[in-house]
Amino acid sequence: DAGVTQSPTHLIKTRGQQVTLRCSPKSGHDTVSWYQQALGQGPQFIFQYYEEEERQRGNFPDRFSGHQFPNYSSELNVNALLLGDSALYLCASSLGQGRKNSPLHFGNGTRLTVT
Amino acid sequence: AQSVTQLGSHVSVSEGALVLLRCNYSSSVPPYLFWYVQYPNQGLQLLLKYTSAATLVKGINGFEAEFKKSETSFHLTKPSAHMSDAAEYFCAVSDYEAGNQFYFGTGTSLTVIP
Repeated sequence: DAGVTQSPTHLIKTRGQQVTLRCSPKSGHDTVSWYQQALGQGPQFIFQYYEEEERQRGNFPDRFSGHQFPNYSSELNVNALLLGDSALYLCASSLGQGRKNSPLHFGNGTRLTVT
Repeated sequence: AQSVTQLGSHVSVSEGALVLLRCNYSSSVPPYLFWYVQYPNQGLQLLLKYTSAATLVKGINGFEAEFKKSETSFHLTKPSAHMSDAAEYFCAVSDYEAGNQFYFGTGTSLTVIP
């Protein structure tokens, strides 16, 4: 049973560039959420996708956008990269958007470094 | 709004000693609470979750947590620490009224001293 997979594992970009991160959810899951984890901090919610639509969004600027595909996989796009965007980006999947007590299952993350 | 507070960003225990990691929550509705563990260069792994069926919740790797409504706490414990328990631990609360968005604490780094 494949868990959540993310690619790439590491990425180095320059300020002003754009980046795309990818995620495949755990088998049987239909909801994908993205989190940003800065060094020494807890994960911060970016947004959630369900049925190919953004359902919930955290306090992140419009430079952060995403997409969900019919097979439930998802992409996170960040435009006009800033040094402060350097972080571990975690994808998490779950079953049923808004289902009570449904835990998140996380991938190993993509480490983004902006120079 | 939901939130959690983890007291103590760093905890050190001797191998074989009791582990106690503290988490307090703030929630306007009955909370759904979780503990996750993160090993270096990895994602978060679910340790246990509070389902409201029982106040004492048992998780993986010998960890357990007790939900205390009167104290708004959900502390994580393990009777005897093992070297392999050294990791970062995160408490989280889910907001099911906001599509099951999770709010995480700032984490507690556990060091186990041989």
